[in-house]
Amino acid sequence: AQKVTQAQTEISVVEKEDVTLDCVYETRDTTYYLFWYKQPPSGELVFLIRRNSFDEQNEISGRYSWNFQKSTSSFNFTITASQVVDSAVYFCALSESINAGNMLTFGGGTRLMVKP
Amino acid sequence: GAGVSQSPSNKVTEKGKDVELRCDPISGHTALYWYRQSLGQGLEFLIYFQGNSAPDKSGLPSDRFSAERTGGSVSTLTIQRTQQEDSAVYLCASSPGGGYTEAFFGQGTRLTVV
Repeated sequence: AQKVTQAQTEISVVEKEDVTLDCVYETRDTTYYLFWYKQPPSGELVFLIRRNSFDEQNEISGRYSWNFQKSTSSFNFTITASQVVDSAVYFCALSESINAGNMLTFGGGTRLMVKP
Repeated sequence: GAGVSQSPSNKVTEKGKDVELRCDPISGHTALYWYRQSLGQGLEFLIYFQGNSAPDKSGLPSDRFSAERTGGSVSTLTIQRTQQEDSAVYLCASSPGGGYTEAFFGQGTRLTVV
């Protein structure tokens, strides 16, 4: 069975600091997808990224970057120069289903607090 | 355009009563998912609908939980004989297809069983 672990339950940083959110996953499948979602105080989950198991290239989107390493089963998320608006709960998730790609197994989430 | 809409946003019910939670997906989205978010269990998958296919109910925690999707659009999640452990935020998501397309989540229904 699949499992996603986010060991950091809460992180507090000061604005402009860089911060990395860790995600470790377990799966027996060779084909799978990994996701990151952001949950601001309003409650809805906002999609950030999806990465398939065959693509280990790191990705950068503005201040966000992701480091996928199959050798360590990790898919870590870094925010550069954090801002107060980045304060939210961030979830890493895994999908093993080809036909239902959004049947997700979520990690427990990391609450990020960015202080001014 | 409108996103995924869930109603009610908050629901307080007495233990033992039945409740219905509604999800209006984004128009044209064929895939619809229900998740539950609770303090003790985190975010859990409940059920998945794709077009006219039989739903994947593998995440439903007990037979008190059921869901329907009428006309391939609106979905209703029903919890019968509610228990206090059913208290959670119930999230609905939809996506354009059943594959790896981005899912859009609603803001959820917060259910409190007293």
